Amino acid sequence: DADVTQTPRNRITKTGKRIMLECSQTKGHDRMYWYRQDPGLGLRLIYYSFDVKDINKGEISDGYSVSRQAQAKFSLSLESAIPNQTALYFCATSDRSPTGAYEQYFGPGTRLTVT
Amino acid sequence: AQKVTQAQTEISVVEKEDVTLDCVYETRDTTYYLFWYKQPPSGELVFLIRRNSFDEQNEISGRYSWNFQKSTSSFNFTITASQVVDSAVYFCGYSSASKIIFGSGTRLSIRP
Repeated sequence: DADVTQTPRNRITKTGKRIMLECSQTKGHDRMYWYRQDPGLGLRLIYYSFDVKDINKGEISDGYSVSRQAQAKFSLSLESAIPNQTALYFCATSDRSPTGAYEQYFGPGTRLTVT
Repeated sequence: AQKVTQAQTEISVVEKEDVTLDCVYETRDTTYYLFWYKQPPSGELVFLIRRNSFDEQNEISGRYSWNFQKSTSSFNFTITASQVVDSAVYFCGYSSASKIIFGSGTRLSIRP
């Protein structure tokens, strides 16, 4: 079984609809992240959470909200979807190793299309 | 502020050629990590390598090699004797205690 899972894997929705993307992990990591990927722009950080009580905005948080329901779950919501939120969304986890590394483990991605 | 630049947007080479993907970073941190991920056409992100700022040793893994030079703030990735299966988007990234950022990616196409 995959360590980091995302649901749904693909979603088409209409402008103005509310949509939630879910992420679950079995790695036991404290840190979780949401990124979006757009062609030519790489991965951009939307929100991140260093533990259940800690939520931080990333580079492009406008139009998004998150919820860290438990250590293993981190959800991303689009309250009112718009077409320029069409993108590939990745969830990731990381933990601080004894060496101080922050290697990230990515989920398989969710392809969201807003029409 | 920290920044990662992958100036090569797209590279296309013929199979069996060697190819180098460039990655340049900016930071004032003294402790940080650099890494590379591969994104094949299937879309998942595959971790390739991580290097910390205190370890400038080059690394070789099969046909892949990485050259980390703090003097030029670069962490370049070379594929030797490229194969069609190497076709993918490759992302360079940076992480520190306060930040994780990615470059915009280089799309590598290997022609048979």
